[in-house]
Amino acid sequence: GQQLNQSPQSMFIQEGEDVSMNCTSSSIFNTWLWYKQDPGEGPVLLIALYKAGELTSNGRLTAQFGITRKDSFLNISASIPSDVGIYFCAGQGYSSASKIIFGSGTRLSIRP
Amino acid sequence: DVKVTQSSRYLVKRTGEKVFLECVQDMDHENMFWYRQDPGLGLRLIYFSYDVKMKEKGDIPEGYSVSREKKERFSLILESASTNQTSMYLCASSSRVAADTQYFGPGTRLTVL
Repeated sequence: GQQLNQSPQSMFIQEGEDVSMNCTSSSIFNTWLWYKQDPGEGPVLLIALYKAGELTSNGRLTAQFGITRKDSFLNISASIPSDVGIYFCAGQGYSSASKIIFGSGTRLSIRP
Repeated sequence: DVKVTQSSRYLVKRTGEKVFLECVQDMDHENMFWYRQDPGLGLRLIYFSYDVKMKEKGDIPEGYSVSREKKERFSLILESASTNQTSMYLCASSSRVAADTQYFGPGTRLTVL
């Protein structure tokens, strides 16, 4: 089946630094999604991407849908303590209307 | 705002017990999902449902069953809990027209002793 490789698995950075994480897939996706999970909560959708090459921002977050349709990345600029959490990429293929495949997550920790 | 609620935040059960996890959404969504979340494995789909009384197996359905008798409620059942089912369980819902946008509940952390 489809698999997503998300990296890095964890990051421990200084407050104010920029963050970058990415996902690659073994197959093509129609939609790429980025979710964030705060400690003790369920994931919340941050950004949705629908076109190859698309670059979308949400505040300090920027995500891109790779040209090959097999990858996506998420950047966070000038990180702050509330950015702590687990970030998941997710992809949705052409074959299923609702089934979404999730990456294994990137755990972000920040030193104040 | 969409709200997805799960019946318990924390649950401790014994091996062999029957366990019910309940999920309710208040946005009239057609689609509902159950995932389990384990460190390093991300979210893995157990079962999902497109409509009342409909269910589809996800990637890891073994040892689980589901019930969707009402549109707003989707139940996950562990017929005979085992220690390897200790995990965080997340429920989600989405509408048919915006199926890529899933709304998650807060999760139930289940420990099977």
